[in-house]
Amino acid sequence: AQSVAQPEDQVNVAEGNPLTVKCTYSVSGNPYLFWYVQYPNRGLQFLLKYITGDNLVKGSYGFEAEFNKSQTSFHLKKPSALVSDSALYFCAVRDSGDSSYKLIFGSGTRLLVRP
Amino acid sequence: DTGVSQNPRHKITKRGQNVTFRCDPISEHNRLYWYRQTLGQGPEFLTYFQNEAQLEKSRLLSDRFSAERPKGSFSTLEIQRTEQGDSAMYLCASSPRTSGSSYNEQFFGPGTRLTVL
Repeated sequence: AQSVAQPEDQVNVAEGNPLTVKCTYSVSGNPYLFWYVQYPNRGLQFLLKYITGDNLVKGSYGFEAEFNKSQTSFHLKKPSALVSDSALYFCAVRDSGDSSYKLIFGSGTRLLVRP
Repeated sequence: DTGVSQNPRHKITKRGQNVTFRCDPISEHNRLYWYRQTLGQGPEFLTYFQNEAQLEKSRLLSDRFSAERPKGSFSTLEIQRTEQGDSAMYLCASSPRTSGSSYNEQFFGPGTRLTVL
């Protein structure tokens, strides 16, 4: 069965410091991995994805993520956090063998960037 | 705004009533998805359409739930005889069918928040 784990309910970081939001996954086939961000009263916004190729993927708003197959992880990173990055972040996975294209989401991590 | 739109944004109903939500996907997106999100959780897949064909339904989608996409454009999600446990945010998403479309990300609407009293 496919699953995603986001082990931290909340991550606190000071503005200007690097941030990491953790994600591990489990699929039977090859993973397609995604990060989304959710602001209050708004839908999920796509940040970045890993399909194949370079393990380091760059996305919107200066975010990047590193795919690690041996650790089945896809951690989200940003070199310098902004207060405006404060939001709810979701990691999602799709099994390459799943014909429905559905995404399996983690439970989310709230990022709080303090000034 | 050419994104995914959902109506209504909020719905309050009494237990036992029927409710219907509408989703308008991004134009020319042939794939449409419904998810449900409860407080403190990530979205959970409910159902998936390719054009007008409903190709997969989650076991979360009980007999009281029905979804349609009659002309392959907008979609509706109906919940009959609502229960308090149906209270959640219902999210709609769409994605295009293009070359290599297995990899396409899904674009989400703002959601419909349902409260069942």
